[in-house]
Amino acid sequence: GQNIDQPTEMTATEGAIVQINCTYQTSGFNGLFWYQQHAGEAPTFLSYNVLDGLEEKGRFSSFLSRSKGYSYLLLKELQMKDSASYLCAVTLTSGGGYNKLIFGAGTRLAVHP
Amino acid sequence: DGGITQSPKYLFRKEGQNVTLSCEQNLNHDAMYWYRQDPGQGLRLIYYSQIVNDFQKGDIAEGYSVSREKKESFPLTVTSAQKNPTAFYLCASSLTTGTHQPQHFGDGTRLSIL
Repeated sequence: GQNIDQPTEMTATEGAIVQINCTYQTSGFNGLFWYQQHAGEAPTFLSYNVLDGLEEKGRFSSFLSRSKGYSYLLLKELQMKDSASYLCAVTLTSGGGYNKLIFGAGTRLAVHP
Repeated sequence: DGGITQSPKYLFRKEGQNVTLSCEQNLNHDAMYWYRQDPGQGLRLIYYSQIVNDFQKGDIAEGYSVSREKKESFPLTVTSAQKNPTAFYLCASSLTTGTHQPQHFGDGTRLSIL
C-alpha cells in the first residue's frame, strides 16, 4: 500500500524556524509536493522536489532524500500568518499515463507570539 | 484573475437526495480532479478527468458521479448511494497530469446532512 506520515500538530514561536517532516513508503515515486492550507480554504502550492537535495524559495525550503523516503519543509522567520496545515503529497505513475497524487493527513502548525 | 471557483461554499443534503457541486476553472487546464477531505485524513481522490469528455474513477468513487462536457467545468454529483457524504470537497485542476504539474485548488464546498 501507499503510506505517507507527517506529525499531526506542531507549535512554534513567531520569528523562529520550524521543520516539518514527511516520510513516505510508496510503490513508485515521481516527485513530492508541499502545499499550505489555511482552515476552510484551498490548499496552495509551496514546492516540488524530484531530485535529492534542498530547494529554497524565500522563507520556505524543501528537502528530499529519495533513498530514505524522507522530505522536510523548513519555514524560517515564522510569522503569525504561517499558522496553517502543511500537506505533503507524493506523485506516482498510475495507469493510462495518469500521475496520481497521494496526500498525507497534514501537519497543523500553530505560531505563537 | 484566473482561478478555480467552487459553489456553493456550504451545502446541506436531505436523506435520499442527490446534490451537485459546481467547479469552474478559467486557467485553460486540461486536467481536473475532485477530492474529499475528512478530519485526520489526507485528501482522497474521487474522480479525475485528463481531457474534456473523459473521466476516470479515483479511489473512492462509489456514490459519486461526474461529467466533463466542457473544458472549464467538472461538476460532481453526490448521490443518495453515498451513505457518509459529510465532508469538505475540493476541486482542483492542472495544466496536464504530468508529474511536475502542481494542482491548483478551489476554496471547497462543505457538505452536511440535514
